Amino acid sequence: DGGITQSPKYLFRKEGQNVTLSCEQNLNHDAMYWYRQDPGQGLRLIYYSQIVNDFQKGDIAEGYSVSREKKESFPLTVTSAQKNPTAFYLCASSTDRGVYGYTFGSGTRLTVV
Amino acid sequence: ILNVEQSPQSLHVQEGDSTNFTCSFPSSNFYALHWYRWETAKSPEALFVMTLNGDEKKKGRISATLNTKEGYSYLYIKGSQPEDSATYLCAFPGTASKLTFGTGTRLQVTL
Repeated sequence: DGGITQSPKYLFRKEGQNVTLSCEQNLNHDAMYWYRQDPGQGLRLIYYSQIVNDFQKGDIAEGYSVSREKKESFPLTVTSAQKNPTAFYLCASSTDRGVYGYTFGSGTRLTVV
Repeated sequence: ILNVEQSPQSLHVQEGDSTNFTCSFPSSNFYALHWYRWETAKSPEALFVMTLNGDEKKKGRISATLNTKEGYSYLYIKGSQPEDSATYLCAFPGTASKLTFGTGTRLQVTL
């Protein structure tokens, strides 16, 4: 079955450490996205990529980095420069311009202690 | 940053009640309006992608309408069931294909 896989589901890290969240899709979608959710807030866009080897900053990119070396993979690195990294992270993908809607992964809950 | 607002923030209804929520979005440069359902411990699931003013879409007991000129969309659920309990998100695409999401309406349906 086609879909998006995010791993791990839960992640704990010590403050000051970088951590990479995985996102893989087998839907042959061109575009991929990373969103963050905090309590009481909507999903906020961190980074997105519309094509391999290209990506753009979203609304809250500071302290994060991404790569898009393969169409099916869009890993997100939360760096030590991100001031409040504890959050729920969702990855999504879509066909061109999302005309059929986004397909989402099941998310990764990151806790930094 | 685009402003997408949803109301109410949460809603508690009894089984069999019909209910509706609102999403408001910028009326200029309209391209599309998305609705998603997000059940606890699951991934958000696309319900509707609406593109035409006056459009009405339906999926089972759930329907949605769109007014692009005034910048709002309504989501209706007829005869709510406990399995309808979820957070309902609307989203508005800005440039490229990136979506700006509202904060959602959390629906709880009890027996």
